[in-house]
Amino acid sequence: EVQLVESGGGLVQPGGSLRLSCAASGFTFSSYEMNWVRQAPGKGLEWVSYISSSGSTIYYADYVKGRFTISRDNAKNSLYLQMNSLSAEDTAVYHCAGGRSIATFDPWGQGTLVTVSS
Amino acid sequence: QSALTQPASVSGSPGQSITISCAGASSDVGTYNLVSWYQHHPGKAPKLMIYDVSKRPSGVSNRFSGSKSGNTASLTISGLQAEDEADYYCCAYAGSNTFLYAFGTGTKVTVL
Repeated sequence: EVQLVESGGGLVQPGGSLRLSCAASGFTFSSYEMNWVRQAPGKGLEWVSYISSSGSTIYYADYVKGRFTISRDNAKNSLYLQMNSLSAEDTAVYHCAGGRSIATFDPWGQGTLVTVSS
Repeated sequence: QSALTQPASVSGSPGQSITISCAGASSDVGTYNLVSWYQHHPGKAPKLMIYDVSKRPSGVSNRFSGSKSGNTASLTISGLQAEDEADYYCCAYAGSNTFLYAFGTGTKVTVL
């Protein structure tokens, strides 16, 4: 079964850090581009970051650039998101999503909730 | 660099057809045939329904179809069923390294 499972979310104070993980199974992870997509409470989906299958190409949305770092370990079938200098605006469910091709996100994980609050 | 615009809600009776619009700009929807649609039941993983404007992944019902005209893409659900009730999001390639993908604002589909 194709599956992505996120972990690492939780409650963190403003200015704090958190590292999210995404474990892949059931497909050839090393062949897939990967993305992080978030959904703030009551809001729509929002693209956060992209990493190529080899990890050599990385992009970030303006609103997280310089604070978030995406990485992957193909040997462990895992994707990561290191989040620093968190603010309330980063509160959201964070989904990892595979990139079948440009603008084609499949598969998706159920997401992990990150709450930034004092 | 902004979200694509979708109607907040669309409803229909079982068996009817509904269409969800996704309005973008000449820099995203209007330039690239790289628009996808996702079905999202809250608390679950979003599901790819349409990609490359009008292509259906295997396993997705042929009741779902996509199209595009100018800067606006559309998703049509024919023969509406109770299980289609969910949130739907469009997504388009935006082509900027710091704004690679634009998602739509989301549409809640209600089956009456």
